[in-house]
Amino acid sequence: DQQVKQNSPSLSVQEGRISILNCDYTNSMFDYFLWYKKYPAEGPTFLISISSIKDKNEDGRFTVFLNKSAKHLSLHIVPSQPGDSAVYFCAASAAGNQFYFGTGTSLTVIP
Amino acid sequence: GAGVSQSPSNKVTEKGKDVELRCDPISGHTALYWYRQSLGQGLEFLIYFQGNSAPDKSGLPSDRFSAERTGGSVSTLTIQRTQQEDSAVYLCASSTSSGGTDTQYFGPGTRLTVL
Repeated sequence: DQQVKQNSPSLSVQEGRISILNCDYTNSMFDYFLWYKKYPAEGPTFLISISSIKDKNEDGRFTVFLNKSAKHLSLHIVPSQPGDSAVYFCAASAAGNQFYFGTGTSLTVIP
Repeated sequence: GAGVSQSPSNKVTEKGKDVELRCDPISGHTALYWYRQSLGQGLEFLIYFQGNSAPDKSGLPSDRFSAERTGGSVSTLTIQRTQQEDSAVYLCASSTSSGGTDTQYFGPGTRLTVL
């Protein structure tokens, strides 16, 4: 049973516009969330995180929003750049160390 | 400094054979994780090591899978009597501690193909 879901397998955005990647989860005990970016033939690299005590965390062009009541997480990238083209995974954990990952969303930023 | 390394990068094996996958974590990282990513699936947790504590094996899919971590550093994931459904990319990650909020640094993965 997939506890973390990314329902959009792919997304295309024009350079300079906003990219919004979405993630839903089912376990209300999750209290820590992360986004990873993955280029082909490489391991995932950490992008940004948020704990359940916050509803927003911003780091440069990347902002993660958390809606606990809706069990929904989103990553905003603005402005999008061609180098942002990658697969983005969201992940969640519940006060422990086992992380549950979504299936990923492949972002293509069109120059 | 050096990141997490994994070997081999690619492994092709025949059904029924045993395979060993190796992970070298970042020096000083006490926590080590194994995940796998099957085609079209998310990253699936397999096993977690923290220091000298007993590993969390709750994600291992069957008793054909085992892992060990020698000297708190290098880890080996062993799959016995491989099956075609074991074909996946196996990823290793390490982090500085086990607080649940520490960034995990991933290796490039081992792509396993079972014929």
